Amino acid sequence: ETGVTQSPTHLIKTRGQQVTLRCSSQSGHNTVSWYQQALGQGPQFIFQYYREEENGRGNFPPRFSGLQFPNYSSELNVNALELDDSALYLCASSLSWTGELFFGEGSRLTVL
Amino acid sequence: GIQVEQSPPDLILQEGANSTLRCNFSDSVNNLQWFHQNPWGQLINLFYIPSGTKQNGRLSATTVATERYSLLYISSSQTTDSGVYFCAALWSGNQFYFGTGTSLTVIP
Repeated sequence: ETGVTQSPTHLIKTRGQQVTLRCSSQSGHNTVSWYQQALGQGPQFIFQYYREEENGRGNFPPRFSGLQFPNYSSELNVNALELDDSALYLCASSLSWTGELFFGEGSRLTVL
Repeated sequence: GIQVEQSPPDLILQEGANSTLRCNFSDSVNNLQWFHQNPWGQLINLFYIPSGTKQNGRLSATTVATERYSLLYISSSQTTDSGVYFCAALWSGNQFYFGTGTSLTVIP
């Protein structure tokens, strides 16, 4: 069984740039959720994708967007990066009927 | 949304000691999970426990949904137990709400 994998693991961007983070869900899981974790805090929900559509969104601006592909993998895109976007971005996959989350190792984004 | 509070925020234990971590939530929840965040940032599943009690080796968890709290017990702690422990509650929809975590340090 393949777990959740994320790429890249680390990246550095400058303010105003755009970034794309990628996530492959655990084998058999059809739902992907993205969370942002700032230093010293708990993760915060960005959005969830199910059947290639956004299926719930947290309190994040529209410059945070995503995609889910037919193989259930997903992308998180962030436009017009701000310094406060520096954080660990966590992807979690789940089965839609249980909701139990399984996380990847995260992508650590630094915005300078 | 709901508020999820964890206590204590920090905990230092001697190896071999036992501990109890608490998670309070402000409303009824549909599901609850406990995670251990390793030094590299990955959240490792410990328990998926909307109610009742579960045990896995030296760890066990109890959720009393009617009283809006969950407890994580760690017995005979080891240095590898060090890290941050999070609880996360599913209140409505698809959003899990995380607490601010308990940072555990186990010293040899």
